[in-house]
Amino acid sequence: KQEVTQIPAALSVPEGENLVLNCSFTDSAIYNLQWFRQDPGKGLTSLLLIQSSQREQTSGRLNASLDKSSGRSTLYIAASQPGDSATYLCASPADMRFGAGTRLTVKP
Amino acid sequence: DTEVTQTPKHLVMGMTNKKSLKCEQHMGHRAMYWYKQKAKKPPELMFVYSYEKLSINESVPSRFSPECPNSSLLNLHLHALQPEDSALYLCASSRLIGETQYFGPGTRLLVL
Repeated sequence: KQEVTQIPAALSVPEGENLVLNCSFTDSAIYNLQWFRQDPGKGLTSLLLIQSSQREQTSGRLNASLDKSSGRSTLYIAASQPGDSATYLCASPADMRFGAGTRLTVKP
Repeated sequence: DTEVTQTPKHLVMGMTNKKSLKCEQHMGHRAMYWYKQKAKKPPELMFVYSYEKLSINESVPSRFSPECPNSSLLNLHLHALQPEDSALYLCASSRLIGETQYFGPGTRLLVL
């Protein structure tokens, strides 16, 4: 059964810094991987989906990569802003399993 | 339009009440999901419907009863809930099972 983990649980950075969020999964036969953002008490907003045949996806200041052989995905956020503060979750949609999330705080 | 709507936004109910949560999407998606999320925890899958048929039931207690009346609508009927069932209930949909999921804003449920 696919297990998804995210470390660290929380991260605080100053505004303008580039940062990387990590996601690990146990089954390298992963079909796809999706990154979400969740604001407190709200639903999940889809950020990026990477198919197993892809290595990375980009949307604006966000870039997500997928390395099946190492069981890792990363979400790169460029030039972070206070509005990026939220919890970021990765998930294996095919397995319907989520990581516990990384709570990001970007300080002005 | 990638919108999934959920009603109500908030719900307070007693342990003897019967209530229903509603989820709707008009994206033509054929897979719909119910998740339960406790504070500071990831969403946990409850049920999955594919082509209006129950595909996955993650051993959820029978006091939760899902229903998919048509391809756009998903309900979750609640009866005799416990205080530990208080959580954020999230609905999601995808074109097919296993593809990109789109989430609604959730229903915040409090059981007294």
